[in-house]
Amino acid sequence: DARVTQTPRHKVTEMGQEVTMRCQPILGHNTVFWYRQTMMQGLELLAYFRNRAPLDDSGMPKDRFSAEMPDATLATLKIQPSEPRDSAVYFCASGLVPERSYEQYFGPGTRLTVT
Amino acid sequence: QQQVKQSPQSLIVQKGGISIINCAYENTAFDYFPWYQQFPGKGPALLIAIRPDVSEKKEGRFTISFNKSAKQFSLHIMDSQPGDSATYFCAASWRGGGADGLTFGKGTHLIIQP
Repeated sequence: DARVTQTPRHKVTEMGQEVTMRCQPILGHNTVFWYRQTMMQGLELLAYFRNRAPLDDSGMPKDRFSAEMPDATLATLKIQPSEPRDSAVYFCASGLVPERSYEQYFGPGTRLTVT
Repeated sequence: QQQVKQSPQSLIVQKGGISIINCAYENTAFDYFPWYQQFPGKGPALLIAIRPDVSEKKEGRFTISFNKSAKQFSLHIMDSQPGDSATYFCAASWRGGGADGLTFGKGTHLIIQP
């Protein structure tokens, strides 16, 4: 049963600290997405990769957020320095685009709390 | 701008009733309209999807109705059950470009009362 995995599931950190979230997409999927979910904003697309190449990161605050995909089995989202307003649930999703653009498989999320 | 507008934000339905969630879109280039279901502590998961050349699609108790001329689509949950309590997101996808993925609505928090 293929699924997207994310680590850590929960992270509590102090303002100013670096946070790294990791994602293992489903093998064979060519596109990986990072989303942030908050009560106020809903699901926001932060960045996505196609065949490991970054295609769009316009949803991310550039000065503190960075996303990479060092290999086909690992995507990372880094926040440095973290701020309380970054507290949210961060989801990674993968899919096969454009063949099945409507179908994304989401991981369980990383719940980030910045104090 | 690619947007999908979803309503209502929250919905309470009695067990056995019909839950209805509505969405509207502007971009006629969208070519697939999925609905995602999210339970607390989980990521969203694809529930059902429809193409714009089809007016209705049914899977079990879940039905999507699609009105291409009005650029609206809706999710109907028949015989709603407490286990259906979740957040539902409508979305639209565009194979040809743009975000190469999904544009999500803001979500509807559905509660089914026993």
